[in-house]
Amino acid sequence: DGGITQSPKYLFRKEGQNVTLSCEQNLNHDAMYWYRQDPGQGLRLIYYSQIVNDFQKGDIAEGYSVSREKKESFPLTVTSAQKNPTAFYLCASSRPRALAGPDTQYFGPGTRLTVL
Amino acid sequence: SQQGEEDPQALSIQEGENATMNCSYKTSINNLQWYRQNSGRGLVHLILIRSNEREKHSGRLRVTLDTSKKSSSLLITASRAADTASYFCATDAKPTGRRALTFGSGTRLQVQP
Repeated sequence: DGGITQSPKYLFRKEGQNVTLSCEQNLNHDAMYWYRQDPGQGLRLIYYSQIVNDFQKGDIAEGYSVSREKKESFPLTVTSAQKNPTAFYLCASSRPRALAGPDTQYFGPGTRLTVL
Repeated sequence: SQQGEEDPQALSIQEGENATMNCSYKTSINNLQWYRQNSGRGLVHLILIRSNEREKHSGRLRVTLDTSKKSSSLLITASRAADTASYFCATDAKPTGRRALTFGSGTRLQVQP
C-alpha cells in the first residue's frame, strides 16, 4: 500500500521541550513539505525539500528545523523557540523532480500537537 | 501572506443543491488546484486546471479559471451529505525560485441531509 504516513497522531508536549514529528512516504517522491494549520485556517508552509540533503525555509520557519537524510523521510522538529506551537501539522509529498508537469501533493493524515 | 483567498468562508446548503466556492489569487500562475479536507484529516487532491484552460470537469465537480481576473470557482453539483468538508484552492505560481504550492484559507461546506 503506497502512501504517506505521519506519527504520532496526537502529541502532547510541555513548554520548553523540543519534539520531533515523523513523516514517511513510499511513493518515490522527491519533494516533501511541512505545513502548519491553525483552527479554521488554511495551510502555511514551514519547510520544504525538493531533493535529499537539501531543504528550504517556507513562510513560517522560525522555531522549526528539518532534515532530509533519506528520500523517504522528512522529520520536523518543533523547538522550544517556537512561541505558539499548538497546531495541526501536515506533511505532503509530490512527484519525482525529473518529471515535467505540476506538483500535485499527497498528504499524510496529520499530527495534532498540543503544548501543555 | 496567502496567495489564494476563498469566498465564502463558510457555506451551508441542503442535499441536492449546488455549492459554489470562489478563489482569488494575486500573482501569475502555472496552474491552480483544489483540495478537500475532512475534519481533522489530511488534504486530498480533487482537480487541477492549467493557466491556459478555462473550464474543467471531473464527475460532479466543475472548475473554472479566469486568469484576467485572477480567480477560480469550484462548483459541486447535486451535493451530498458526504461532501461536507473544507475546500482549499492552491496555486503554483510562475517561477519565483520557490517550487511549492500556496494554499488559500478555505471554504467550510456543510451539506444538510
